[in-house]
Amino acid sequence: QKEVEQDPGPLSVPEGAIVSLNCTYSNSAFQYFMWYRQYSRKGPELLMYTYSSGNKEDGRFTAQVDKSSKYISLFIRDSQPSDSATYLCARTLSGSARQLTFGSGTQLTVLP
Amino acid sequence: ETGVTQSPTHLIKTRGQQVTLRCSSQSGHNTVSWYQQALGQGPQFIFQYYREEENGRGNFPPRFSGLQFPNYSSELNVNALELDDSALYLCASSSGSREGNTIYFGEGSWLTVV
Repeated sequence: QKEVEQDPGPLSVPEGAIVSLNCTYSNSAFQYFMWYRQYSRKGPELLMYTYSSGNKEDGRFTAQVDKSSKYISLFIRDSQPSDSATYLCARTLSGSARQLTFGSGTQLTVLP
Repeated sequence: ETGVTQSPTHLIKTRGQQVTLRCSSQSGHNTVSWYQQALGQGPQFIFQYYREEENGRGNFPPRFSGLQFPNYSSELNVNALELDDSALYLCASSSGSREGNTIYFGEGSWLTVV
């Protein structure tokens, strides 16, 4: 079993839709959780990070962590064609705060 | 713009050759990590340097080695290249601060082994 599981998609939605991207993880020692956006042939761009259960909002993006279920989600409201990218979830272990384990990424296309 | 710069952006090598990839970390960041990203996969952790010393390593063979310099820039060296080493190599930098956990990536170096 992979430490971080992510539905690879691809996921295609119409412009303006609410997008839900999800990951599950297997190790309870995980401390920090991040979401990265990666455009084609570019490096990952940090969108959000959180270290506690609950929701964290930043503009159109909401990150949600449920540590009891080992489930993390990213919601995108009012999706735009410019949101079309691969979204990567990642986590760090407690005590090794800067070593990331990534999911395989979900490819999102927002259609105009 | 993350302030993490990598070079070269693209290169082609022959199986068995050696390659050196370079990274300049964001100003003020003393921790540099390297990741390998195969096509269609998430990045895989190779190793991490903190204040010029390796302080973490993923499941990669010894032919993957690195250095961090006093200015916190870094190199990734890969010896005896294999076809499966073809991937995007990413450098990430972060600060030693325990506040938050912001890790920023460069644009990567695309390596093709033929």
